[in-house]
Amino acid sequence: DSGVTQTPKHLITATGQRVTLRCSPRSGDLSVYWYQQSLDQGLQFLIQYYNGEERAKGNILERFSAQQFPDLHSELNLSSLELGDSALYFCASRTGTANTGELFFGEGSRLTVL
Amino acid sequence: AQSVTQLGSHVSVSEGALVLLRCNYSSSVPPYLFWYVQYPNQGLQLLLKYTTGATLVKGINGFEAEFKKSETSFHLTKPSAHMSDAAEYFCAVTESGGSYIPTFGRGTSLIVHP
Repeated sequence: DSGVTQTPKHLITATGQRVTLRCSPRSGDLSVYWYQQSLDQGLQFLIQYYNGEERAKGNILERFSAQQFPDLHSELNLSSLELGDSALYFCASRTGTANTGELFFGEGSRLTVL
Repeated sequence: AQSVTQLGSHVSVSEGALVLLRCNYSSSVPPYLFWYVQYPNQGLQLLLKYTTGATLVKGINGFEAEFKKSETSFHLTKPSAHMSDAAEYFCAVTESGGSYIPTFGRGTSLIVHP
């Protein structure tokens, strides 16, 4: 158990819909990262938050947005969903700010868009 | 920009045989290197990491990796494979002094035959 909690574990929805994925980081971790894992793209970095503020953006589509709340949990919002958005979405958290630290991953939210 | 190449999307070994998973990186500054493992239906977890110091790094479950700067490699090895080692393995790199956004390789699926 990494200490990172993601909900829901599985989600099936239709094209054009909007979903919200939730992540609770490990206790005390201020940084939250979102990654998308798909067969054709591998593990792609989407966005990072640190203590409520956006720190870095990766290959995140404009249809996607995220935020980190005062209690440090984070939500990833995916809208106008397309078939190609079907993937496993991981949240990870990290202790501290040193670049040597590891990421702790949740078990992921598997999104299927039909 | 940093990048990671993992040679071989699938590696198949017999139980008891040597495991060798290859990782080459590209980085303009000294890198920090990581190996993560993903078991079915789970998130990624850290196997081992190299930051500074000794270039041969030992991790959990009998795995080790050697940082070779001249070859820009960080290959993962284990002397004797167990059935329980069957999983997806990811190599990742971050750059010292930069923002902490790990770049992951595409992953290598390790298959262990009895």
